Amino acid sequence: SQQGEEDPQALSIQEGENATMNCSYKTSINNLQWYRQNSGRGLVHLILIRSNEREKHSGRLRVTLDTSKKSSSLLITASRAADTASYFCATGADSWGKLQFGAGTQVVVTP
Amino acid sequence: DVKVTQSSRYLVKRTGEKVFLECVQDMDHENMFWYRQDPGLGLRLIYFSYDVKMKEKGDIPEGYSVSREKKERFSLILESASTNQTSMYLCASSPRVGGEKLFFGSGTQLSVL
Repeated sequence: SQQGEEDPQALSIQEGENATMNCSYKTSINNLQWYRQNSGRGLVHLILIRSNEREKHSGRLRVTLDTSKKSSSLLITASRAADTASYFCATGADSWGKLQFGAGTQVVVTP
Repeated sequence: DVKVTQSSRYLVKRTGEKVFLECVQDMDHENMFWYRQDPGLGLRLIYFSYDVKMKEKGDIPEGYSVSREKKERFSLILESASTNQTSMYLCASSPRVGGEKLFFGSGTQLSVL
């Protein structure tokens, strides 16, 4: 079953702008993660936020989590052409790595 | 860096063939996973394994089986390939301790004709 749902499905911005994408999920979670996928390749882990955290930063990435609304957002600041990729949220209900993924947001950053 | 290697980048098979997709990881991870990825559906978990010779069904195990004879290798088997199994297959691994984060292979794009 698909746990996370990303919004929007696609996003087109110019270099230097910020990109924001959202993820909603349905059941209780232990953690929420964001992954990036370039051009049909494997996924790369970006950031993990636990259910007792509200905000986390990593470089140009900022993730928020609102467990009362069962939603998360990923903000990429000062985007670059190299940020062009698909971004997936994934929810984990345990510490064993079994994740439920959403359908992803396709981000295109134009120079 | 962790390396997860999938044996084929592209694979074309005929309906009814038995298909083996191989995945090897080099970081001594206990957990290994097989996902398939389809447009608009994201990644769906087929099977996973927490240890050698152990396997658990994921969300869509029908038509698939797996084998984990060695810790570093996790194989996905399509017993009799069908056209609806045309998809991108992604293998991932994680350590038992602190294993929330997954490390993915580059994927195998399988076409069943």
